[in-house]
Amino acid sequence: GQNIDQPTEMTATEGAIVQINCTYQTSGFNGLFWYQQHAGEAPTFLSYNVLDGLEEKGRFSSFLSRSKGYSYLLLKELQMKDSASYLCAVRTSGGYNKLIFGAGTRLAVHP
Amino acid sequence: DAGVTQSPTHLIKTRGQQVTLRCSPISGHKSVSWYQQVLGQGPQFIFQYYEKEERGRGNFPDRFSARQFPNYSSELNVNALLLGDSALYLCASSPTHGVGVNEQFFGPGTRLTVL
Repeated sequence: GQNIDQPTEMTATEGAIVQINCTYQTSGFNGLFWYQQHAGEAPTFLSYNVLDGLEEKGRFSSFLSRSKGYSYLLLKELQMKDSASYLCAVRTSGGYNKLIFGAGTRLAVHP
Repeated sequence: DAGVTQSPTHLIKTRGQQVTLRCSPISGHKSVSWYQQVLGQGPQFIFQYYEKEERGRGNFPDRFSARQFPNYSSELNVNALLLGDSALYLCASSPTHGVGVNEQFFGPGTRLTVL
């Protein structure tokens, strides 16, 4: 089966650092994506990992360990506008662009 | 540059009716995927089309169908609507259908409510 787990909710303080974890068990693996989704809006692309290691992009970093079926998204210098849902998604093998999404982690950033 | 566009924005239907949702991908993108997002959940894959051919199908009943036109726009059709079909329907476009980053760009979605 296909299973992607991430915490349901997290809270953090403005200016702090937060790490959102994601574990996955899928029948194939062809890359892991993180998307941000504000309430009532479309998901927007944050990061992509296909090889083990850390990918850094400004205040956002994403890490992947394929052997452990594990990824995390690290958000630094949190801002109020970072309050959103963060979706972990795995692209399974098969030569096409099907994404399996987790249920998302709702992050609330407080002053 | 225009992003992915979807129409209509909102739709209210009753059980048993049929609905057609429309999507225009980003210019130059040839792949369109459809996702269903129930409130509080992540998007669930319904279909992917590339070069007007179905390239992938999720675990949805035959009441769900789609097609892609020569200009790469796409329609999603749902027949015999059920209350459980109430959801946000997202369309995503990408340049190709295969490997690499090939990130998918999502449209604003169509909010379908079935009464």
